Amino acid sequence: SYELTQPPSVSVSPGQTARITCSGDALPQQYTYWYQQKPGQAPKLVIYQDTERSSGIPERFSGSSSGTTVTLTISGVQAEDEADYYCQSTNSSGRLWVFGGGTKLTVL
Amino acid sequence: QVQLVESGGGVVQPGGSLRLSCAISGFTFSSYVIHWIRQAPGKGLEWVAVASYDGTEKHYADSVKGRFTISRDTSSSTLYLQMTSLRPEDTAVYYCARERNTDAAFDFWGQGTMVTISS
Repeated sequence: SYELTQPPSVSVSPGQTARITCSGDALPQQYTYWYQQKPGQAPKLVIYQDTERSSGIPERFSGSSSGTTVTLTISGVQAEDEADYYCQSTNSSGRLWVFGGGTKLTVL
Repeated sequence: QVQLVESGGGVVQPGGSLRLSCAISGFTFSSYVIHWIRQAPGKGLEWVAVASYDGTEKHYADSVKGRFTISRDTSSSTLYLQMTSLRPEDTAVYYCARERNTDAAFDFWGQGTMVTISS
């Protein structure tokens, strides 16, 4: 099987920068996607192809990649950004889709 | 507009069966790959299964392989998930989600249907 590893939680104060990492052996070869999920809602695509913002996503959200780790960065965090964030990718063959365990972002 | 609507969830005893449906509208069903993804209460997202455009190629998570079957009906633009030999750990909200044509991102999701396995 293939796994993506995320920190369980990240906490920041409003206006600060939040960074959420995702690690996986195949990430250098496969794109990573990020989703935001708020309570009671379906996930929403935030970042695709490692660094591209999905339609309607504020500019404060950005993605980056370095080796086996990708990072979702939220600059100038707002209260409305409090949510669970999941990374997603595929294994090296592209036939197994996998999610990270999720990171709960708390805005203090 | 693009819509995916799941149905068929409910309460089933361990060992039982259930069939979930995902009705799509607002886009051409045969042009997109649709996945099933689940989320146990208070837990993270888990990819479950996918079928190719014509339904001939199918892939499953190890946790459901041999028990769940994914299928597509182009005439009704509906995706199905037949679940058998259900276990308490299958309890989850089941989502269907559309995979983009350009990459492996899930750009549209349904609101989910709850499946509870309990005696």
